[in-house]
Amino acid sequence: DAGVTQSPTHLIKTRGQQVTLRCSPKSGHDTVSWYQQALGQGPQFIFQYYEEEERQRGNFPDRFSGHQFPNYSSELNVNALLLGDSALYLCASSFYAGEAFFGQGTRLTVV
Amino acid sequence: AQSVAQPEDQVNVAEGNPLTVKCTYSVSGNPYLFWYVQYPNRGLQFLLKYITGDNLVKGSYGFEAEFNKSQTSFHLKKPSALVSDSALYFCAVRDYNDYKLSFGAGTTVTVRA
Repeated sequence: DAGVTQSPTHLIKTRGQQVTLRCSPKSGHDTVSWYQQALGQGPQFIFQYYEEEERQRGNFPDRFSGHQFPNYSSELNVNALLLGDSALYLCASSFYAGEAFFGQGTRLTVV
Repeated sequence: AQSVAQPEDQVNVAEGNPLTVKCTYSVSGNPYLFWYVQYPNRGLQFLLKYITGDNLVKGSYGFEAEFNKSQTSFHLKKPSALVSDSALYFCAVRDYNDYKLSFGAGTTVTVRA
């Protein structure tokens, strides 16, 4: 079992650019959540996808959007990047009300 | 609204001594509680959870946690710490009718040999 896999592992972008991060959930999981972890802080919930729909959203601007595909994999898109978007982006998958399993994360640096 | 507080930024213990990492929570309904551990430049690794039932929960790597409803606490414990337990520990809560996890700021545990 490969667990939750995220790509890429590291990414450097320029302010104003757009970025897409990818996540494959753990086998058997149908729900994908995205979190932003700034340096020295706990993860902050961005949104959750279930059945290809955004089921819940955290306190993030519309520049953050996502998608879930029929195979349950997911993408996180961030438009008009700001320096403050630099963070570790974590994908978590789960099944029904079970615990969330996290990927290794994508380290995004905006310069 | 739901939130988690981890009152200690750092915990330092000697190898072989008991380890406790404190966590208090706030939710409007029944809490689902979790502990995760994070090693440098890595994602979060699940340790244990409380959903319902016995207040003492046992998890991975010899860790356990005790749910205390009256004190709204869910402290993580290990009877005998190892140097390899040195890491960043996060407590998280989810209201039973919510989907998102709310995390504390984390506690850095250092176990000295």
